[in-house]
Amino acid sequence: AQSVAQPEDQVNVAEGNPLTVKCTYSVSGNPYLFWYVQYPNRGLQFLLKYITGDNLVKGSYGFEAEFNKSQTSFHLKKPSALVSDSALYFCAVRAVQHGNTGKLIFGQGTTLQVKP
Amino acid sequence: DGGITQSPKYLFRKEGQNVTLSCEQNLNHDAMYWYRQDPGQGLRLIYYSQIVNDFQKGDIAEGYSVSREKKESFPLTVTSAQKNPTAFYLCASSRFGNQPQHFGDGTRLSIL
Repeated sequence: AQSVAQPEDQVNVAEGNPLTVKCTYSVSGNPYLFWYVQYPNRGLQFLLKYITGDNLVKGSYGFEAEFNKSQTSFHLKKPSALVSDSALYFCAVRAVQHGNTGKLIFGQGTTLQVKP
Repeated sequence: DGGITQSPKYLFRKEGQNVTLSCEQNLNHDAMYWYRQDPGQGLRLIYYSQIVNDFQKGDIAEGYSVSREKKESFPLTVTSAQKNPTAFYLCASSRFGNQPQHFGDGTRLSIL
């Protein structure tokens, strides 16, 4: 069965410091991976995706993610955190066993708290 | 601007009542999805539709129903059979393939 795990419920970082939000996955076949961000009482906003190609994927708002096939990880990173980055972050993997439906399996979410 | 509109933003349900949540998109996307979000549980898929007049159950379809009569619209009905409907409901749409899903701003459903 395909799954996504976000091992940390919350990540705390000081403004200006680098941040990492962790994600590991389990899929059969090639993984299609996504990161989303959610602000309070809002929908999810797409940040970036990995389909194939370079292991370092760049996305919106200065975020990037590193795909590591051997460790089955897709960690979200940013070199310098902003207070406005404080939000709930979701990692997701495409459910390939259902063909081309576009269905996603989401992790539980990680709350990022950036302190001034 | 293209996007997904969910309405209402807040909804209250009485005992034994069915309520319908609206989701409309003008992105010309073929696929649409409904998710339920509970604190600490991430997003769980209720129903999805890849094409007009066709839809499939997700992981937690019991107590819910949907229709897809138009490409732009995918309403969700929370029936009285859903005993724990209090949650944040999110609608999304996407093109086929590996394209990201675009989300609306959700409807928060509570019990009176």
